Amino acid sequence: QKEVEQNSGPLSVPEGAIASLNCTYSDRVSQSFFWYRQYSGKSPELIMSIYSNGDKEDGRFTAQLNKASQYVSLLIRDSQPSDSATYLCAHPALNNAGNMLTFGGGTRLMVKP
Amino acid sequence: EPEVTQTPSHQVTQMGQEVILRCVPISNHLYFYWYRQILGQKVEFLVSFYNNEISEKSEIFDDQFSVERPDGSNFTLKIRSTKLEDSAMYFCASSRVTSATGELFFGEGSRLTVL
Repeated sequence: QKEVEQNSGPLSVPEGAIASLNCTYSDRVSQSFFWYRQYSGKSPELIMSIYSNGDKEDGRFTAQLNKASQYVSLLIRDSQPSDSATYLCAHPALNNAGNMLTFGGGTRLMVKP
Repeated sequence: EPEVTQTPSHQVTQMGQEVILRCVPISNHLYFYWYRQILGQKVEFLVSFYNNEISEKSEIFDDQFSVERPDGSNFTLKIRSTKLEDSAMYFCASSRVTSATGELFFGEGSRLTVL
């Protein structure tokens, strides 16, 4: 079983702070990683994808991938109350045709005004 | 903006009854998926569908489950004889390319409650 592990939280940060979300994975051959945001009672929505080691920035979001240590992280700068949601880390399970995403349990982020 | 639509949004059924959940994927997408999320738990993969056939399925997707694309637009998930543990939110998703490299677009989900 290929696992994706996340701290369930909640992670509470004040408005304007940096929120740091982490994810570890056990499948060493995974090449691509995704961060999805899921508001309570809603469906997951992709916010970041990352395919190579290092950082990838998109607006207030930065994804970081370290394949040697098997972790991927998401930084949210200038956190807003609207960022309060559960953040899901996911990667394709590569022992198959690659059409199956394995999700972590998610980290609940609370941004306090 | 194109979106994945699902019906019904909520269905309540008795144990042992058949349920069909419907989805209309984004029109130019080629890959279709069903995922489920039991309340408070992980999003779990059920099945992927490409070129009019199942391309992958998980251990959850046993003989009680089936999928179909009956008319080129709808994509359905059927549960033949529902169990209490089938109660969950079922998400349909579609993607233009394989999920290994592409973005999955999820519908808003169908909440199934089995009594």
